Amino acid sequence: NFMLAQPHSVSGSPGKTVTISCTRSSGNIASNYVQWYQQRPGSAPTTVIYEDDQRPSGVPDRFSGSIDSSSNSASLIISGVRTEDEADYYCQSYDSSEKVFGGGTKLTVL
Amino acid sequence: QVQLVESGGGVVQPGRSLRLSCAASGFSFSTNGMHWVRQAPGKGLEWVASISYDGGQKYHADSVKGRLIVSRDNFQNTLYLQMNSLRVDDTAVYYCAKDPGYVDIRSGYPHAWGRGTTVIVSS
Repeated sequence: NFMLAQPHSVSGSPGKTVTISCTRSSGNIASNYVQWYQQRPGSAPTTVIYEDDQRPSGVPDRFSGSIDSSSNSASLIISGVRTEDEADYYCQSYDSSEKVFGGGTKLTVL
Repeated sequence: QVQLVESGGGVVQPGRSLRLSCAASGFSFSTNGMHWVRQAPGKGLEWVASISYDGGQKYHADSVKGRLIVSRDNFQNTLYLQMNSLRVDDTAVYYCAKDPGYVDIRSGYPHAWGRGTTVIVSS
């Protein structure tokens, strides 16, 4: 089993770039795809990035994803952050038959 | 478009059983794997179970193994979660989610999500 560690919270001003990290505790981050989910208060999660860096249709190109094998981590990058981006964000990956979620990061847009 | 509608949640006493359903529409249900994910009050997302497109592969989180069982009916386009021997810590919103379409569900992941159904286990 492995864990995905995320910062508890991040913040940014409107128009700035925010990065949320997701570090895998064991195993190679590049071995299995990473997904990112957005969850606004009181709502179900939605997918904003899948398979490391792919964006579903309808998700603004302000959202991007990347993988860094040197730090064994994935990142969600939100450029030109807007107040509507304020939400919880979860990374997710898998190993063998197990799916693992990160603990979630609360994004506050100041 | 993809629509997933969960139902069957409610308040139940510890030790009792409940069956959740997820009605799927807007895509080819019989060719897609499916997942259950839950979220306890004020907590993060927790994977519960996954099932392959044909029901031949089923995987459950260790925390629910032997008590919560995933199944599907491809004729009814419905996903199920049979919940037995319920515990207080099973209290959560339960989401069903569509896989993007991996044949091997071990490589799959939640891609499209339902709105969830709430299960409260309390005496």
